Amino acid sequence: QSALTQPASVSGSPGQSITISCTGTSSDVGGYNYVCWYQQHPGKVPKLMIYEVSNRPSGVPDRFSGSKSGNTASLTISGLQAEDEADYYCSSYTSSSSYVFGTGTKVTVL
Amino acid sequence: QVQLVQSGAEVKKPGASVKVSCKASGYTFAYNTIHWVRQAPGQRLEWMGWLNPGNGNTKYSQKFQDRVTITRDTSANTAYMELSSLRSEDTAVYYCARATWAKDFDYWGRGTLVTVSS
Repeated sequence: QSALTQPASVSGSPGQSITISCTGTSSDVGGYNYVCWYQQHPGKVPKLMIYEVSNRPSGVPDRFSGSKSGNTASLTISGLQAEDEADYYCSSYTSSSSYVFGTGTKVTVL
Repeated sequence: QVQLVQSGAEVKKPGASVKVSCKASGYTFAYNTIHWVRQAPGQRLEWMGWLNPGNGNTKYSQKFQDRVTITRDTSANTAYMELSSLRSEDTAVYYCARATWAKDFDYWGRGTLVTVSS
């Protein structure tokens, strides 16, 4: 199972919006709505930010949103804030009852 | 509150095996699958496999299929991940995580650093 493809880095100024893509195949991202996103600050444990493509767990700010089209899922951060600077990983359930993570995206707040 | 408490850091020699534990509390252990995810230094998250604590069923990533074994002790609410034939590339932080019905990982252990060095 190959990793889902994400851009290595995305940057934006405070207050701006950025979008991170996550491209897979019809056997994972395109085949299921079990796509989620994790935020990981350096040296910290990953934190669930989005589940089932577009749902936010309790406590996650509404400036984080998710969507999907075909084999590509996206995470959008609106109104970028300094504390959003972190690594972001997408993940998907797959047709072989396994899971796969994305390659990871480093978000930099300029 | 839900907690996953992992065992401490390990240093192993190439060719050896390591067994990491993950003790769950704050919920019914049998109701959620437990997954193992690793992260080598500066690298991405990598899914290794899952365990259904209720019936002991497992599923492993093809990459680790021949070297990983995930087990549980239901009396202790603890899951275990054993990785054999260790090599330097296995140096990583190993996390356990609880999956929900929506197939996301809502709670994670703090991670266990496994260092493989001669």
